[in-house]
Amino acid sequence: KAGVTQTPRYLIKTRGQQVTLSCSPISGHRSVSWYQQTPGQGLQFLFEYFSETQRNKGNFPGRFSGRQFSNSRSEMNVSTLELGDSALYLCATKVGTTSTDTQYFGPGTRLTVL
Amino acid sequence: KNEVEQSPQNLTAQEGEFITINCSYSVGISALHWLQQHPGGGIVSLFMLSSGKKKHGRLIATINIQEKHSSLHITASHPRDSAVYICAVIPYSGAGSYQLTFGKGTKLSVIP
Repeated sequence: KAGVTQTPRYLIKTRGQQVTLSCSPISGHRSVSWYQQTPGQGLQFLFEYFSETQRNKGNFPGRFSGRQFSNSRSEMNVSTLELGDSALYLCATKVGTTSTDTQYFGPGTRLTVL
Repeated sequence: KNEVEQSPQNLTAQEGEFITINCSYSVGISALHWLQQHPGGGIVSLFMLSSGKKKHGRLIATINIQEKHSSLHITASHPRDSAVYICAVIPYSGAGSYQLTFGKGTKLSVIP
């Protein structure tokens, strides 16, 4: 069974640009969560999607948005990039929405904003 | 706001030593996860706990719900155990929402 895939793996952008990251879940997984990891703040929850609906959102500005498609693939978008958006962006998928389901993490997309 | 505290932040051990990493949290939770992150970023879920104790190979995780505390133990540590270990909790919330709140991680280095 293929794991969680994220594309691209590395990305360099400049301030003010926008970026779209993609996450393809394990087959049969319908829940996708996104996380940001920085050296200063550690891992922080961005949002969670299930069946194309955003179920939960972390404390991030509106420049961060996401969506989920009918095949459970998810994208997140960051508009008007700032230097502080440089981070590792991870997605994690699981079968359903139960808190006891195991999450499987993708390898991450490392975004550098210059 | 839930706070998750891990200790120690950094840990260096000799191969073969018994290792303990601690996690304390401040609010009621529905579950706690222990995650392992190797250099390069990949994260693996090691355990999900809502009570008691779980064991997988040389790894043991325990949780005390009343004391809001969990520990991750590694027996007979090996250099390949070198990684960052992250504790994450799911605070109680309505409608079954699932929002992990993370500790800052414990960086473990096991020296041959």
